[in-house]
Amino acid sequence: AQKITQTQPGMFVQEKEAVTLDCTYDTSDPSYGLFWYKQPSSGEMIFLIYQGSYDQQNATEGRYSLNFQKARKSANLVISASQLGDSAMYFCAMRDPSGAGSYQLTFGKGTKLSVIP
Amino acid sequence: SQTIHQWPATLVQPVGSPLSLECTVEGTSNPNLYWYRQAAGRGLQLLFYSVGIGQISSEVPQNLSASRPQDRQFILSSKKLLLSDSGFYLCAWSVFGGRGEQYFGPGTRLTVT
Repeated sequence: AQKITQTQPGMFVQEKEAVTLDCTYDTSDPSYGLFWYKQPSSGEMIFLIYQGSYDQQNATEGRYSLNFQKARKSANLVISASQLGDSAMYFCAMRDPSGAGSYQLTFGKGTKLSVIP
Repeated sequence: SQTIHQWPATLVQPVGSPLSLECTVEGTSNPNLYWYRQAAGRGLQLLFYSVGIGQISSEVPQNLSASRPQDRQFILSSKKLLLSDSGFYLCAWSVFGGRGEQYFGPGTRLTVT
């Protein structure tokens, strides 16, 4: 069974500093995808970044980057130059293997990030 | 561009009453569709997913049901709500056969009293 672990229930970061949110995963499937989502207090889940298991380089999207260490089965999210608007819950997720063009996601329990002015 | 709508945004219903939450997607065809529930301060629990009209897969036994009467419409229903049905309900879509990322609607906050 697939599993996502986020060990940091809450994190604090000073505005303009960088922060790393941890995520480890467990799967026996050689082909998988990893995702990060942001959930602000409004509740909507916002897709941030994707990393495929065969991607040679770490994914980047603006201020977000994914530190992908395949051998260690970790996919940490790095947010550079934190802003007050980054305060939110962050969820790591992994694509479950399934056929017929349908994928389910397994989500971690999330990390609550608070940016301090 | 693609847009996903959910309504209502908030709902307060008495125990034993019926429920109908609707989700529609614009700007894409044949999407995969999903219903999730999130209890307060918790992660997401997948309730149902659908790969096509009339095709529904249920992930957990529960008091809820789902239907997909049209390609881009997904409905979550209950005949009689329980207190334990309270939570935040999120609808999502993904590209059929794509990378797997899901795009979420704004959600419905359901309180069963």
